[in-house]
Amino acid sequence: DQQVKQNSPSLSVQEGRISILNCDYTNSMFDYFLWYKKYPAEGPTFLISISSIKDKNEDGRFTVFLNKSAKHLSLHIVPSQPGDSAVYFCAASARGNEKLTFGTGTRLTIIP
Amino acid sequence: DGGITQSPKYLFRKEGQNVTLSCEQNLNHDAMYWYRQDPGQGLRLIYYSQIVNDFQKGDIAEGYSVSREKKESFPLTVTSAQKNPTAFYLCASSIVAGEKQQFFGPGTRLTVL
Repeated sequence: DQQVKQNSPSLSVQEGRISILNCDYTNSMFDYFLWYKKYPAEGPTFLISISSIKDKNEDGRFTVFLNKSAKHLSLHIVPSQPGDSAVYFCAASARGNEKLTFGTGTRLTIIP
Repeated sequence: DGGITQSPKYLFRKEGQNVTLSCEQNLNHDAMYWYRQDPGQGLRLIYYSQIVNDFQKGDIAEGYSVSREKKESFPLTVTSAQKNPTAFYLCASSIVAGEKQQFFGPGTRLTVL
């Protein structure tokens, strides 16, 4: 039972354009969401997070949007740069629970 | 500088042998975690530890064992009971239990021949 879903296994975007990565969840107890970036043969690194009391969080080129009614969040990267090419994982957590539930990841390729 | 160390980066073992993966952190974090990543899948939690001398099973603990004798160390043993041990193993830590942001090590790729 996949509680966090990233339905696009891969995405290609032209350098300088906007990259939009999507994530859906089914567990209504999730109240905190994170995005991680992962290069091959390395551990994931934290990018940005959002609490369910917000619908948007911004950090430089990265913005995460949360639509609680749709149980959907998205990560926007603008402008996209070649170094953004990586696998992006969405993760979710419920209140009072330290466990993170990860999606299957989306491989983003930025085309120069 | 502070971080999480996993060694070795690549590990090969014969089927039926137990193998222990190392994870060390000098971040002074209380909580530590072990995940497994398989191709096309997300990270799945194997075991986690909130404090020294305490640990809990994650979603896929069967065939694995852990210990937490020191705050900075959380080794994972992949036993012969694990039916499909070949995978990429990731160790993570967080400042305290319940802190959502976890910091990851570089991972160990285990191949069982």
